Amino acid sequence: DQQVKQNSPSLSVQEGRISILNCDYTNSMFDYFLWYKKYPAEGPTFLISISSIKDKNEDGRFTVFLNKSAKHLSLHIVPSQPGDSAVYFCAASRGGDYKLSFGAGTTVTVRA
Amino acid sequence: GAVVSQHPSRVICKSGTSVKIECRSLDFQATTMFWYRQFPKQSLMLMATSNEGSKATYEQGVEKDKFLINHASLTLSTLTVTSAHPEDSSFYICSASLILDNEQFFGPGTRLTVL
Repeated sequence: DQQVKQNSPSLSVQEGRISILNCDYTNSMFDYFLWYKKYPAEGPTFLISISSIKDKNEDGRFTVFLNKSAKHLSLHIVPSQPGDSAVYFCAASRGGDYKLSFGAGTTVTVRA
Repeated sequence: GAVVSQHPSRVICKSGTSVKIECRSLDFQATTMFWYRQFPKQSLMLMATSNEGSKATYEQGVEKDKFLINHASLTLSTLTVTSAHPEDSSFYICSASLILDNEQFFGPGTRLTVL
């Protein structure tokens, strides 16, 4: 049973525009959410996270929004750059548990 | 940053053979290492959690006798797929957590193909 879902397998965006990646979860016990970025032949690397006590966290070009009532989070990348082309994974954990539940990933392609 | 390596990156084996995958934390000591499996177009699924010097904890549905995990030191964990079958073909990826820190650092993964 997949508790974290990324329903868009791919996203294509023009350089300089905004990329919006979406993620939904079903487990209401999740209280910590992370986004990872993965290039081919490399492992996922941590990008940004958000705790359930917040509804927004910003780090440079990356902003994560959390809507707890909708069990939905999104990652905004603005402006998008060619180096942002990668697979983005959404992940969630609960209550200090180190275990992460991952979504299937969204492949982002930034067009020049 | 913290670096985690995996070896081999790709392996092809015959059905019935065993395959060992190594996961190493190169520049830090990891009390906890995680093993994941990813099938095409699916999410990373946690298989087991291993702590140095103790037995691994397996997730529901993962056969511990088939997927042997050893975490003999603070920098090395191994996953052995015993008597591999074609349905075991998958992408296996490990991650490691720093001591006193629960951030996970991921290895590049191992592509296993069982013929």
